Amino acid sequence: GENVEQHPSTLSVQEGDSAVIKCTYSDSASNYFPWYKQELGKGPQLIIDIRSNVGEKKDQRIAVTLNKTAKHFSLHITETQPEDSAVYFCAASIHDKIIFGKGTRLHILP
Amino acid sequence: DTAVSQTPKYLVTQMGNDKSIKCEQNLGHDTMYWYKQDSKKFLKIMFSYNNKELIINETVPNRFSPKSPDKAHLNLHINSLELGDSAVYFCASSQPGTQNSPLHFGNGTRLTVT
Repeated sequence: GENVEQHPSTLSVQEGDSAVIKCTYSDSASNYFPWYKQELGKGPQLIIDIRSNVGEKKDQRIAVTLNKTAKHFSLHITETQPEDSAVYFCAASIHDKIIFGKGTRLHILP
Repeated sequence: DTAVSQTPKYLVTQMGNDKSIKCEQNLGHDTMYWYKQDSKKFLKIMFSYNNKELIINETVPNRFSPKSPDKAHLNLHINSLELGDSAVYFCASSQPGTQNSPLHFGNGTRLTVT
């Protein structure tokens, strides 16, 4: 079955700097890659997603890149702000089954 | 209006008891899920129902029994609770088959078994 690896598990960046979270997946048939943000006491919320026929997607300060050949995908957050502090999950979807990475706890330092 | 709502938000109970968690979605989605999030934040799929039919069952002990009375509801019943069942349980829904089918999560039920 699909396996999603996510790194790092914890990331601390200075406010205003960029943060990058990387994921790999195992099943080349996966075709949809969402990213979720989970704040304390809440459920994960979709922040951006990318399909396998696209290499890059951007939404304001957030961008995702996908390398299908290497089975890598990454989340980039620029100009980080205190409200970006949360746990971020990458995921890969095959046949409508979404498998999550183990999460990255992002700390934005003042 | 809350899109995916689950109750209760907190559940504290003793080992051996039976408990239920309810979930409702008003998004009109055909598919609903239960995920378990352990203390390390790892999200693991447990079950998936499409239009009241079970489509995913991820080697979950048979003490866990999902029930879907209609496509807007997916409840989770747990028998003979064990310490290791302590976790946050998330209900989610999606509309498969469309161009983008992200999951919409509820805010979770924190289950503590003592």
